[in-house]
Amino acid sequence: GAGVSQSPSNKVTEKGKDVELRCDPISGHTALYWYRQRLGQGLEFLIYFQGNSAPDKSGLPSDRFSAERTGESVSTLTIQRTQQEDSAVYLCASSLDFASYNEQFFGPGTRLTVL
Amino acid sequence: AQSVTQPDIHITVSEGASLELRCNYSYGATPYLFWYVQSPGQGLQLLLKYFSGDTLVQGIKGFEAEFKRSQSSFNLRKPSVHWSDAAEYFCAVGLSNFGNEKLTFGTGTRLTIIP
Repeated sequence: GAGVSQSPSNKVTEKGKDVELRCDPISGHTALYWYRQRLGQGLEFLIYFQGNSAPDKSGLPSDRFSAERTGESVSTLTIQRTQQEDSAVYLCASSLDFASYNEQFFGPGTRLTVL
Repeated sequence: AQSVTQPDIHITVSEGASLELRCNYSYGATPYLFWYVQSPGQGLQLLLKYFSGDTLVQGIKGFEAEFKRSQSSFNLRKPSVHWSDAAEYFCAVGLSNFGNEKLTFGTGTRLTIIP
C-alpha cells in the first residue's frame, strides 16, 4: 500500500511569499504530525492532529505558521510571509492513532528554500 | 522537558565491523525510546522501540538497542555493518504518560561505511 506522501518535494520561494505544503497520510491513520528539520539538526516537532483536531499547537514557531486537516486525511501546513530562517525540510508522519505504541510513518519531506 | 543527546555527529566504520551509536536522554520517568534511520532521499524508518519489559530490544536490519536506566542511555548496536547501513540515525524519546504524539529527536549521527 501507499505510504505517506508529501508535495511538493522541493519548493523555492522568495522572502515574504506564502507557501503551502501538503501531506497525504496513510489511509486509516487518524494521527498526523508535522516536523521541521533544519540543516544539520534533529527533527523539531511542530504540530499534531488527532482526526481533524489539533490538541497541541505549541511547537509552531510563530503565528506565521498554521496547519489544518480535513476529512481525517490530507493536511496542509501554511507558512505566511516566509523568512529565510524558515528554510528547512518539512516532514509529515502518520500513525494509527496517537497511542504511544503506534509507529509513526514518515513521508519523504518537502525541502523549502526561502531566498 | 525531555531532551535527547546524540554525542557523535559523524561516525566512520569499516564494512563488517561492529557499530555502537550513543543516545542519552533526560526525562524524570521511564520514557518511550525509539531509533529511526534516514537514508539519503528517503523518509525516516523506525528501526526499533522500547516501551517496557526486556531492556534489550531487537529491531529490523539486524540492529538492537539496550535501555540502561542507570545511565539514561539507549545505545544502538549492530555486530557487523553493511555498506547499505550508511545513513543518518536518530534517537527519539516520547513522554510515557501522553503517548508518542510529541517525539523529541536527537540531532542525529551520520554513519559512513568504508570498504
